[in-house]
Amino acid sequence: DIQMTQSPSSLSASVGDRVTITCRATQSITYLNWYQQKPGKAPKLLIYAASNLQGGVPSRFSGSGSGTDFSLTISSLQSEDFATYYCQQSYSSPWTFGQGTKVEIK
Amino acid sequence: QVQLQESGPGLVKPSETLSLTCTVSGGSISNYYWSWIRQPPGKGLEWIGNIYDSGNTDYNPSLKSRVIMSVSTSKSQFSLRLSSVTAADTAVYYCVKVAGRHLKWFDPWGQGTLVTVSS
Repeated sequence: DIQMTQSPSSLSASVGDRVTITCRATQSITYLNWYQQKPGKAPKLLIYAASNLQGGVPSRFSGSGSGTDFSLTISSLQSEDFATYYCQQSYSSPWTFGQGTKVEIK
Repeated sequence: QVQLQESGPGLVKPSETLSLTCTVSGGSISNYYWSWIRQPPGKGLEWIGNIYDSGNTDYNPSLKSRVIMSVSTSKSQFSLRLSSVTAADTAVYYCVKVAGRHLKWFDPWGQGTLVTVSS
């Protein structure tokens, strides 16, 4: 199985901060996807295929990376961005998720 | 736009079978993969498996011996059965559409349904 490791597991940041979350796979996966989950809600797709912004997602979100190392960046953190973020690979079965990164208010 | 809605018992006894159904509306169930994903309380996400409209399946090996997925294109529904459940199977269960063709991602998601395993 391909293991996905996110860093950090949690972070505290202020509104307006630039935030970067990284995701590393145990083998090359070519691309991955990013999701945002707020408490009590289903996850929501943010970025697919590493760098493609899902429709309706604010442009302050961006994704990059290839091979085994990927990142999600929020250019200017807004109050509605405080949530847990998950990376996910569909390159090889079983499809797997990172453990999540919780973004909290500083 | 496609919407998904899970339904089924919220409480299942240990050793029994968990059964959930997902109803797809606003779009066709045909020519797509559909997934079940679960999330234990306070924990991360676990992919359970996929089913195609033809009935072809791909299960997570960690659950494969206990999982059966099925699909009814006439009813625009797909289903999950998980047998011999224990407290470790307590989770919010999501049904999800697999979007994309060669590259795949999960979108949209159902709202999720909490299934508690307890006597």
